[in-house]
Amino acid sequence: SQQGEEDPQALSIQEGENATMNCSYKTSINNLQWYRQNSGRGLVHLILIRSNEREKHSGRLRVTLDTSKKSSSLLITASRAADTASYFCATDYYGGSQGNLIFGKGTKLSVKP
Amino acid sequence: NAGVTQTPKFQVLKTGQSMTLQCAQDMNHEYMSWYRQDPGMGLRLIHYSVGAGITDQGEVPNGYNVSRSTTEDFPLRLLSAAPSQTSVYFCASSRFEGQEWGSPLHFGNGTRLTVT
Repeated sequence: SQQGEEDPQALSIQEGENATMNCSYKTSINNLQWYRQNSGRGLVHLILIRSNEREKHSGRLRVTLDTSKKSSSLLITASRAADTASYFCATDYYGGSQGNLIFGKGTKLSVKP
Repeated sequence: NAGVTQTPKFQVLKTGQSMTLQCAQDMNHEYMSWYRQDPGMGLRLIHYSVGAGITDQGEVPNGYNVSRSTTEDFPLRLLSAAPSQTSVYFCASSRFEGQEWGSPLHFGNGTRLTVT
């Protein structure tokens, strides 16, 4: 069963613009993670935010978490063509085994040079 | 440092055939798992293991078997391949930090399986 749902499904922007992707989930969580997947490759972990955190930064990435709304957002600032990829949010689920993540369907980001 | 290695990269099977997808990690991670990725469905958990000798089912375990005899290896067996098992399969591993703390998953590059 799907826990996280990303929005939008696809996003096309110009290099230098910011990209914002949203994720909503259904049940209580311990943490939420964002991953990137380049075409034909495995997923790469970007950032993990715990349920008691509201915002986290890593380089050009900014993630927010609102547990009251069960939502998270990923902001990529000053995007580059190399940021073209699919982005997934993933949540653990309360009471589940650590490591068992539930992934959303992803946002496909296209950054045009 | 190879990380998570999956073999083969591509495989074509006929309905009813069996095969094993290999996964190995060199990071001494306790946790390993298998996901399948289908268009429009995201990733779905097949089986997982929290340590050698311990395995459990995920969301979509039917038609698949796993074993974990060593920390490094976590093979996925398709018992009798069906066209519905056409998918991209990903193996992932992580350190075991505890449920409340969480830990990033490290993924292999996947095996693209077609069942005809």
